Amino acid sequence: EVQLVESGGGLVQPGGSLRLSCAASGLTFSSSWMTWVRQGPGKGLEWVANINQDGSQRNYVDSLKGRFTISRDNAKNSLDLQMNSLRAEDTAVYYCARSAGWAFDIWGPGTMVTVSS
Amino acid sequence: IVMTQSPLSLSVTPGEPASISCRSSQSLLHSNGHNCLSWYLQKPGQSPQLLMYLGSNRASGVPDRFRGSASGTDFALEISRVEAEDVGVYYCMQGLQAPVTFGQGTRLDIK
Repeated sequence: EVQLVESGGGLVQPGGSLRLSCAASGLTFSSSWMTWVRQGPGKGLEWVANINQDGSQRNYVDSLKGRFTISRDNAKNSLDLQMNSLRAEDTAVYYCARSAGWAFDIWGPGTMVTVSS
Repeated sequence: IVMTQSPLSLSVTPGEPASISCRSSQSLLHSNGHNCLSWYLQKPGQSPQLLMYLGSNRASGVPDRFRGSASGTDFALEISRVEAEDVGVYYCMQGLQAPVTFGQGTRLDIK
């Protein structure tokens, strides 16, 4: 079965850090661009970052540059998102997704991140 | 690239058609001749699922009552006969250039 499963979410204080992970199975992970998308409470979808197959290309939404870092480990079929200097507005469900043909064809169930004191 | 959807909500009687529009602030036409526009449905309590890619191609398992079309920077998702399982929020998304951007979402419910 093809699936992506996120983990690592939770409650963190403002200014803190959190590392999210996404475990891939049933797909050729090393051949895929991968993406993080987030969704604030009651809000729409916001693209966060993506990374190419070997990790040599990374793109971020401008508002997050310098605080978030996307990475991958093809040997472990794993995608990560390191989030630093977290703010209340980073509170969201974070989804990982596979990029295919300029679309996202596989999504995980998401992991919730809450930034609050 | 700014993506603008309309309407933001609609209520449809089962069996009736529905249409959602999405306009991009610039062309989404790739050099390969395809529009880099996709549609997603987020059902209540679920993660988004891909419905259409490259403007008019149905994703695997999507019923043929869903149809995507394009005219310049205007895109549309049409449902020929709405069913109860179609409720949720529909998003368009451009994947032509970073940052990838989504429309605001259109909430569809059943009358």
